[in-house]
Amino acid sequence: GENVEQHPSTLSVQEGDSAVIKCTYSDSASNYFPWYKQELGKRPQLIIDIRSNVGEKKDQRIAVTLNKTAKHFSLHITETQPEDSAVYFCAASSSTGGFKTIFGAGTRLFVKA
Amino acid sequence: DAGVTQSPTHLIKTRGQHVTLRCSPISGHKSVSWYQQVLGQGPQFIFQYYEKEERGRGNFPDRFSARQFPNYSSELNVNALLLGDSALYLCASSQKGQHNEKLFFGSGTQLSVL
Repeated sequence: GENVEQHPSTLSVQEGDSAVIKCTYSDSASNYFPWYKQELGKRPQLIIDIRSNVGEKKDQRIAVTLNKTAKHFSLHITETQPEDSAVYFCAASSSTGGFKTIFGAGTRLFVKA
Repeated sequence: DAGVTQSPTHLIKTRGQHVTLRCSPISGHKSVSWYQQVLGQGPQFIFQYYEKEERGRGNFPDRFSARQFPNYSSELNVNALLLGDSALYLCASSQKGQHNEKLFFGSGTQLSVL
């Protein structure tokens, strides 16, 4: 079946450094790729998304890149801050054969002050 | 401005019982989707509903069912509970139920099956 693999599962960086999280998807019909941030005990919240007709998107310190050929997409966080500490989930979504959104297993990011 | 609300917040059941979880979407949102999140994993897609019709279904057994009401609220039902059904159940709403829309999640219902 379709799946999304996410790496690494845990990432620890020093405040001010960059963090990169990578995802690979299997369903070639996927054309929407959101990223969600989930702080401890809270609900997931969308932080950035990218559609398949775009290769890169940036929003302040956060950027996402997409390589459709390789079925890879990545989240880049620059100048990390302690409040960036959370679990980050990537997802791949398609409408072929019915609505479907597949999430990765998550990356726990620790930003050390 | 109320967000997505889910009830109850916590629930304890025993094996074999059934459970009903409830979700109210953001006002104006016509689509609701349900996810199961096991500790340490990402949310797993269960169902998506738009305008009371099922639009998508994940790889879950027939013990799982759902419905959406005319006011766009939704219920998730799970029959014959198993220990492995213990998880956080998240509901998310969106405006038009399209796969490339932003999802707004509720805080979830934590289900424990003993």
